[in-house]
Amino acid sequence: NAGVTQTPKFRVLKTGQSMTLLCAQDMNHEYMYWYRQDPGMGLRLIHYSVGEGTTAKGEVPDGYNVSRLKKQNFLLGLESAAPSQTSVYFCASSYWQGHDSPLHFGNGTRLTVT
Amino acid sequence: KQEVTQIPAALSVPEGENLVLNCSFTDSAIYNLQWFRQDPGKGLTSLLLIQSSQREQTSGRLNASLDKSSGRSTLYIAASQPGDSATYLCAVKEYGNKLVFGAGTILRVKS
Repeated sequence: NAGVTQTPKFRVLKTGQSMTLLCAQDMNHEYMYWYRQDPGMGLRLIHYSVGEGTTAKGEVPDGYNVSRLKKQNFLLGLESAAPSQTSVYFCASSYWQGHDSPLHFGNGTRLTVT
Repeated sequence: KQEVTQIPAALSVPEGENLVLNCSFTDSAIYNLQWFRQDPGKGLTSLLLIQSSQREQTSGRLNASLDKSSGRSTLYIAASQPGDSATYLCAVKEYGNKLVFGAGTILRVKS
Protein backbone atom coordinates (compact mmCIF):
# COMPACT_ATOMS: atom_id res chain seq x y z
CA ASN A 1 0.00 0.00 0.00
CA ALA A 2 2.48 2.62 -1.24
CA GLY A 3 0.17 5.66 -1.59
CA VAL A 4 2.26 8.72 -2.47
CA THR A 5 6.01 8.18 -2.85
CA GLN A 6 8.56 10.96 -3.12
CA THR A 7 12.16 10.63 -4.23
CA PRO A 8 14.73 11.58 -3.12
CA LYS A 9 14.19 12.01 0.63
CA PHE A 10 17.14 14.35 1.10
CA ARG A 11 19.23 16.44 -1.25
CA VAL A 12 21.90 19.10 -0.95
CA LEU A 13 22.48 21.41 -3.91
CA LYS A 14 24.83 24.23 -4.61
CA THR A 15 23.44 27.54 -5.81
CA GLY A 16 22.78 27.38 -9.53
CA GLN A 17 22.50 23.60 -9.78
CA SER A 18 19.38 21.93 -11.08
CA MET A 19 17.41 18.94 -9.94
CA THR A 20 14.09 17.15 -10.32
CA LEU A 21 11.90 15.84 -7.53
CA LEU A 22 9.71 12.87 -8.39
CA CYS A 23 6.27 12.14 -6.99
CA ALA A 24 4.46 8.90 -7.77
CA GLN A 25 1.01 7.80 -6.63
CA ASP A 26 -0.65 4.45 -7.11
CA MET A 27 -4.22 5.44 -6.18
CA ASN A 28 -5.33 6.51 -9.66
CA HIS A 29 -5.82 10.06 -8.41
CA GLU A 30 -6.55 12.79 -10.91
CA TYR A 31 -5.25 15.72 -8.87
CA MET A 32 -1.67 16.18 -7.74
CA TYR A 33 0.02 19.03 -5.89
CA TRP A 34 3.44 20.26 -4.88
CA TYR A 35 3.78 22.20 -1.61
CA ARG A 36 6.71 23.63 0.29
CA GLN A 37 6.84 23.85 4.07
CA ASP A 38 9.02 26.39 5.84
CA PRO A 39 9.51 26.85 9.59
CA GLY A 40 6.72 28.83 11.23
CA MET A 41 4.67 28.86 8.07
CA GLY A 42 1.94 26.71 6.73
CA LEU A 43 2.30 24.69 3.57
CA ARG A 44 2.27 26.83 0.43
CA LEU A 45 1.16 25.55 -2.94
CA ILE A 46 3.80 25.71 -5.69
CA HIS A 47 2.08 24.07 -8.66
CA TYR A 48 -0.71 21.61 -9.17
CA SER A 49 -2.22 19.39 -11.84
CA VAL A 50 -5.84 18.48 -12.48
CA GLY A 51 -5.00 15.63 -14.83
CA GLU A 52 -2.45 14.06 -17.12
CA GLY A 53 -0.84 16.64 -19.38
CA THR A 54 -2.12 19.66 -17.42
CA THR A 55 -0.41 21.89 -14.87
CA ALA A 56 -1.21 25.18 -13.17
CA LYS A 57 0.53 27.71 -10.96
CA GLY A 58 -0.09 27.88 -7.26
CA GLU A 59 0.79 30.51 -4.69
CA VAL A 60 4.60 30.44 -5.02
CA PRO A 61 5.50 29.14 -8.51
CA ASP A 62 8.55 31.27 -9.30
CA GLY A 63 11.76 29.30 -9.78
CA TYR A 64 9.97 25.99 -10.27
CA ASN A 65 8.63 24.03 -13.22
CA VAL A 66 6.44 20.93 -13.28
CA SER A 67 5.36 18.22 -15.66
CA ARG A 68 2.62 15.58 -15.59
CA LEU A 69 3.35 13.32 -18.53
CA LYS A 70 1.80 10.29 -16.85
CA LYS A 71 -1.21 10.28 -14.55
CA GLN A 72 0.68 8.62 -11.73
CA ASN A 73 3.73 10.91 -11.78
CA PHE A 74 4.19 14.60 -11.02
CA LEU A 75 7.69 16.07 -11.37
CA LEU A 76 8.96 19.28 -9.77
CA GLY A 77 12.03 20.87 -11.32
CA LEU A 78 14.42 23.51 -10.07
CA GLU A 79 16.40 24.88 -13.01
CA SER A 80 18.80 27.08 -11.03
CA ALA A 81 18.58 26.47 -7.30
CA ALA A 82 18.74 29.38 -4.86
CA PRO A 83 19.21 29.36 -1.06
CA SER A 84 15.63 30.66 -0.72
CA GLN A 85 14.48 27.31 -2.07
CA THR A 86 15.84 25.49 0.97
CA SER A 87 12.69 23.86 2.30
CA VAL A 88 10.80 20.64 2.77
CA TYR A 89 8.78 19.75 -0.31
CA PHE A 90 5.61 17.71 -0.13
CA CYS A 91 3.66 16.09 -2.89
CA ALA A 92 -0.03 15.34 -2.42
CA SER A 93 -2.81 13.80 -4.45
CA SER A 94 -6.57 13.54 -4.33
CA TYR A 95 -9.14 11.55 -6.23
CA TRP A 96 -10.96 14.64 -7.35
CA GLN A 97 -11.24 18.20 -6.26
CA GLY A 98 -14.57 17.62 -4.61
CA HIS A 99 -15.14 19.03 -1.20
CA ASP A 100 -15.16 15.67 0.55
CA SER A 101 -11.98 14.35 -1.07
CA PRO A 102 -9.06 14.41 1.37
CA LEU A 103 -5.48 14.93 0.35
CA HIS A 104 -2.92 12.13 0.61
CA PHE A 105 0.62 13.28 1.25
CA GLY A 106 4.05 11.83 0.61
CA ASN A 107 6.74 11.88 3.30
CA GLY A 108 8.54 14.86 1.89
CA THR A 109 11.90 15.79 0.38
CA ARG A 110 14.24 17.89 2.48
CA LEU A 111 16.24 20.15 0.18
CA THR A 112 19.17 22.31 1.25
CA VAL A 113 20.68 24.82 -1.16
CA THR A 114 24.08 26.18 -0.12
CA LYS B 1 -6.49 37.06 1.22
CA GLN B 2 -7.35 34.09 3.40
CA GLU B 3 -5.21 33.75 6.51
CA VAL B 4 -5.28 30.77 8.84
CA THR B 5 -3.94 31.11 12.38
CA GLN B 6 -3.37 28.36 14.90
CA ILE B 7 -3.08 28.96 18.61
CA PRO B 8 -1.11 27.94 20.58
CA ALA B 9 2.02 27.40 18.50
CA ALA B 10 3.16 24.74 20.98
CA LEU B 11 1.53 22.88 23.83
CA SER B 12 2.86 20.46 26.43
CA VAL B 13 0.44 18.48 28.60
CA PRO B 14 0.60 15.47 30.92
CA GLU B 15 -0.83 12.19 29.71
CA GLY B 16 -4.56 11.80 30.26
CA GLU B 17 -5.51 15.45 29.87
CA ASN B 18 -8.24 16.59 27.55
CA LEU B 19 -7.02 19.39 25.29
CA VAL B 20 -8.22 21.83 22.67
CA LEU B 21 -6.35 23.17 19.67
CA ASN B 22 -7.63 26.29 17.98
CA CYS B 23 -7.76 27.36 14.36
CA SER B 24 -9.12 30.64 13.03
CA PHE B 25 -9.58 31.87 9.48
CA THR B 26 -10.32 35.31 8.09
CA ASP B 27 -12.67 34.56 5.18
CA SER B 28 -15.75 32.45 5.82
CA ALA B 29 -16.20 31.64 2.11
CA ILE B 30 -14.90 28.09 2.45
CA TYR B 31 -15.95 24.67 1.25
CA ASN B 32 -14.47 22.72 4.12
CA LEU B 33 -11.89 22.66 6.89
CA GLN B 34 -9.48 19.83 7.46
CA TRP B 35 -7.32 18.85 10.39
CA PHE B 36 -4.05 17.05 9.70
CA ARG B 37 -1.44 15.35 11.83
CA GLN B 38 2.25 15.53 10.95
CA ASP B 39 4.87 13.34 12.63
CA PRO B 40 8.54 14.41 12.51
CA GLY B 41 10.08 13.67 9.14
CA LYS B 42 6.75 12.52 7.75
CA GLY B 43 4.00 13.84 5.55
CA LEU B 44 0.57 14.97 6.64
CA THR B 45 -2.19 12.54 7.54
CA SER B 46 -5.78 13.69 7.25
CA LEU B 47 -7.62 13.35 10.57
CA LEU B 48 -10.98 15.00 10.07
CA LEU B 49 -12.71 16.90 7.29
CA ILE B 50 -15.70 19.13 8.10
CA GLN B 51 -17.87 20.36 5.27
CA SER B 52 -18.96 24.00 5.50
CA SER B 53 -22.54 22.89 6.16
CA GLN B 54 -21.50 20.72 9.11
CA ARG B 55 -20.86 21.72 12.70
CA GLU B 56 -18.60 18.89 13.83
CA GLN B 57 -16.96 15.60 13.02
CA THR B 58 -15.76 12.87 15.34
CA SER B 59 -13.23 10.09 15.00
CA GLY B 60 -12.36 8.08 18.08
CA ARG B 61 -10.92 10.43 20.70
CA LEU B 62 -10.90 13.35 18.26
CA ASN B 63 -13.70 15.83 17.80
CA ALA B 64 -13.49 18.81 15.49
CA SER B 65 -15.99 21.64 15.43
CA LEU B 66 -16.56 24.38 12.90
CA ASP B 67 -18.19 27.78 13.33
CA LYS B 68 -17.95 29.20 9.84
CA SER B 69 -19.62 32.51 10.64
CA SER B 70 -17.06 33.36 13.31
CA GLY B 71 -14.15 31.83 11.41
CA ARG B 72 -13.19 29.32 14.07
CA SER B 73 -12.54 25.63 14.44
CA THR B 74 -11.38 23.58 17.40
CA LEU B 75 -9.84 20.14 17.60
CA TYR B 76 -10.63 18.41 20.87
CA ILE B 77 -8.46 15.47 21.92
CA ALA B 78 -9.80 13.39 24.79
CA ALA B 79 -7.61 11.49 27.24
CA SER B 80 -4.37 12.43 25.53
CA GLN B 81 -1.60 9.84 25.11
CA PRO B 82 2.13 10.14 24.37
CA GLY B 83 1.39 8.74 20.92
CA ASP B 84 -0.65 11.87 20.20
CA SER B 85 2.55 13.92 20.20
CA ALA B 86 2.84 15.50 16.76
CA THR B 87 2.21 18.71 14.89
CA TYR B 88 -1.44 19.39 14.11
CA LEU B 89 -2.33 21.57 11.14
CA CYS B 90 -5.63 22.93 10.00
CA ALA B 91 -6.41 23.97 6.46
CA VAL B 92 -9.41 25.59 4.81
CA LYS B 93 -10.52 24.91 1.28
CA GLU B 94 -11.63 28.22 -0.12
CA TYR B 95 -13.71 29.01 -3.16
CA GLY B 96 -11.36 28.40 -6.09
CA ASN B 97 -10.45 25.06 -4.53
CA LYS B 98 -7.22 26.16 -2.92
CA LEU B 99 -6.18 24.83 0.45
CA VAL B 100 -4.76 27.43 2.84
CA PHE B 101 -2.82 26.01 5.77
CA GLY B 102 -2.10 27.27 9.24
CA ALA B 103 1.43 27.03 10.63
CA GLY B 104 0.45 24.25 13.04
CA THR B 105 0.45 23.49 16.76
CA ILE B 106 3.26 21.33 18.11
CA LEU B 107 1.78 19.02 20.74
CA ARG B 108 3.81 17.11 23.29
CA VAL B 109 2.07 14.70 25.64
CA LYS B 110 4.28 13.74 28.57
CA SER B 111 4.08 10.28 30.14
